[in-house]
Amino acid sequence: DSGVTQTPKHLITATGQRVTLRCSPRSGDLSVYWYQQSLDQGLQFLIQYYNGEERAKGNILERFSAQQFPDLHSELNLSSLELGDSALYFCASSVDPGLAAISTDTQYFGPGTRLTVL
Amino acid sequence: AQSVAQPEDQVNVAEGNPLTVKCTYSVSGNPYLFWYVQYPNRGLQFLLKYITGDNLVKGSYGFEAEFNKSQTSFHLKKPSALVSDSALYFCAVRDSSGTYKYIFGTGTRLKVLA
Repeated sequence: DSGVTQTPKHLITATGQRVTLRCSPRSGDLSVYWYQQSLDQGLQFLIQYYNGEERAKGNILERFSAQQFPDLHSELNLSSLELGDSALYFCASSVDPGLAAISTDTQYFGPGTRLTVL
Repeated sequence: AQSVAQPEDQVNVAEGNPLTVKCTYSVSGNPYLFWYVQYPNRGLQFLLKYITGDNLVKGSYGFEAEFNKSQTSFHLKKPSALVSDSALYFCAVRDSSGTYKYIFGTGTRLKVLA
């Protein structure tokens, strides 16, 4: 158990809908990362938050957005869903890769949310 | 651009034999390299990482990895494979451009045969 929790485990929805995925980082971790894992694209970085602020963006669609709350949990919002958005969405957390020594930087992953868009 | 390559989609090995899962990288600056394992319907579990120092890194579950700067490789190894090692293995490099994101390889499925 990595200490990172994600809810829900599974989500089935229809095209055009909007969903929210939730992630709670490990205790003490300030950074949260979102990744998408699909069969054709592999593991892709979406976005990173550090202590409530967006720090880096990857291959995140404009239909997707995220935020990190004062208690450090994060939510990934996916809207106007398409069939191609079906994937496993992972959240990872780390202490603080910016300030901490690099030797302590390890991302720990949650169990993921499997999204199926029908 | 930084990248990681895992040249083998699948590796088959007999139980008790040594295993190697290959990874090569391309980075500017110092490479920070990681191995993760993913079991079916589970998240990624951290195995080991190379930051600096000894080229042979020891990790969880008896795995180790050898960093080779001249060959830009970071191969994962285990002296004696177990059936329970069967899983999907990912190599990753930490982006050094300031985003701290991990760039993952495409993954290698390891099958250990009894």
